[in-house]
Amino acid sequence: GAVVSQHPSWVICKSGTSVKIECRSLDFQATTMFWYRQFPKQSLMLMATSNEGSKATYEQGVEKDKFLINHASLTLSTLTVTSAHPEDSSFYICSAETSGIAYEQFFGPGTRLTVL
Amino acid sequence: QQQVKQSPQSLIVQKGGISIINCAYENTAFDYFPWYQQFPGKGPALLIAIRPDVSEKKEGRFTISFNKSAKQFSLHIMDSQPGDSATYFCAASMAGNQFYFGTGTSLTVIP
Repeated sequence: GAVVSQHPSWVICKSGTSVKIECRSLDFQATTMFWYRQFPKQSLMLMATSNEGSKATYEQGVEKDKFLINHASLTLSTLTVTSAHPEDSSFYICSAETSGIAYEQFFGPGTRLTVL
Repeated sequence: QQQVKQSPQSLIVQKGGISIINCAYENTAFDYFPWYQQFPGKGPALLIAIRPDVSEKKEGRFTISFNKSAKQFSLHIMDSQPGDSATYFCAASMAGNQFYFGTGTSLTVIP
């Protein structure tokens, strides 16, 4: 299957700082990428859909000014958690969708964010 | 409204046994039904997927059974192994739209 990478895999930051997470599709171009948040022992919660060259579409209840998404190219999307607080601590996972009729979605390995 | 319902929440199977996880969906426009396997601290990995033009797909020990009229699909893991112990998520989607995930099934295969 296609490969999606995330960086960093683990980050600890102080409350009030901003953290940027990168998601890259390594061997295919992804017009659409998705950002999810996952709490322990729970399913994935879609935060936003990121389309290359346009503004991200945020799910209800997700603050777009807090979770900034930039999909600058067909292989890179970034999620910036601004003014992070302890309640933002979570496992953030991105995915990238291949194009065409036989589309598939591949996930990155996730980023564990801990806000102190 | 839960678009995809998954059961059971947890499953314990003896080594060598068959693990069965079920999912049901609401939207008849869905055209892609993948299963993902997730180990602790890792992102979900695509395991196997099916599209509604077939009723069954088999890859190694993993089989998806798809019942379009009942709007249900299931994952069967034959000859389950301890290394299969993980959380499994079903999902459903249509092209260009978000994926809807089930709530996950924690599978434990005991030796």
